[in-house]
Amino acid sequence: EIVMTQSPATLSVSPGERATLSCRASQSVSDNLAWYQQKPGQAPRLLMYDASTRATGIPARFSASGSGTEFTLTISGLQSEDFAVYYCQHYHNWPPITFGQGTRLEIK
Amino acid sequence: EVQLVQSGAEVKKPGESLKISCKASGFTFTTYWIGWVRQMPGKGLEWMGIIYPDDSDARYSPSFQGQVTISVDKSISIAYLQWSSLKASDTAMYYCAKSGRGLSFDYWGHGTLVTVSS
Repeated sequence: EIVMTQSPATLSVSPGERATLSCRASQSVSDNLAWYQQKPGQAPRLLMYDASTRATGIPARFSASGSGTEFTLTISGLQSEDFAVYYCQHYHNWPPITFGQGTRLEIK
Repeated sequence: EVQLVQSGAEVKKPGESLKISCKASGFTFTTYWIGWVRQMPGKGLEWMGIIYPDDSDARYSPSFQGQVTISVDKSISIAYLQWSSLKASDTAMYYCAKSGRGLSFDYWGHGTLVTVSS
């Protein structure tokens, strides 16, 4: 099973600043990686797929990069609605598909 | 418009059986994988398994294999998640989700809260 490890667990950033979230895979997942945002009481929302492609309707301030085992989600010009929990998920050589444990992005 | 409408919250006792549902609309149900994801209270997302409605090909996470059964009724575009004997540790929110590009999940249901308590 491929283990996904996200860092940091919690990230404190001021509105308007940039947030950088990391996700590491225990073995290569190529570019078979997605990022999700989850707000309290809501279902997750797909942000990115194939490591760096924005999903439909996702603002351009969200960007992502990486391949193999190291991935990054960057949110530029943080807005109030961006403070949430973010998960990475691989879909390489499944099953199983696995999620990272999440990074909580909080207001500084 | 793609929609996944899940059945309502359930309160059950340990040892009871349960089947929850996920009604799909707005897309061709038989040509996309439908997955189930568990979220225990205050915790992260756990992938449970996935099914391809056209042929009912179901795959499970090792953590959930033998603990749950995923099925579909493609005639009415509904996916199911069922337990034969619930435990208190099954208390969680359960989401269904439609596969998008690869096995990312581009649409999610609102979740079904399952509470198992004596």
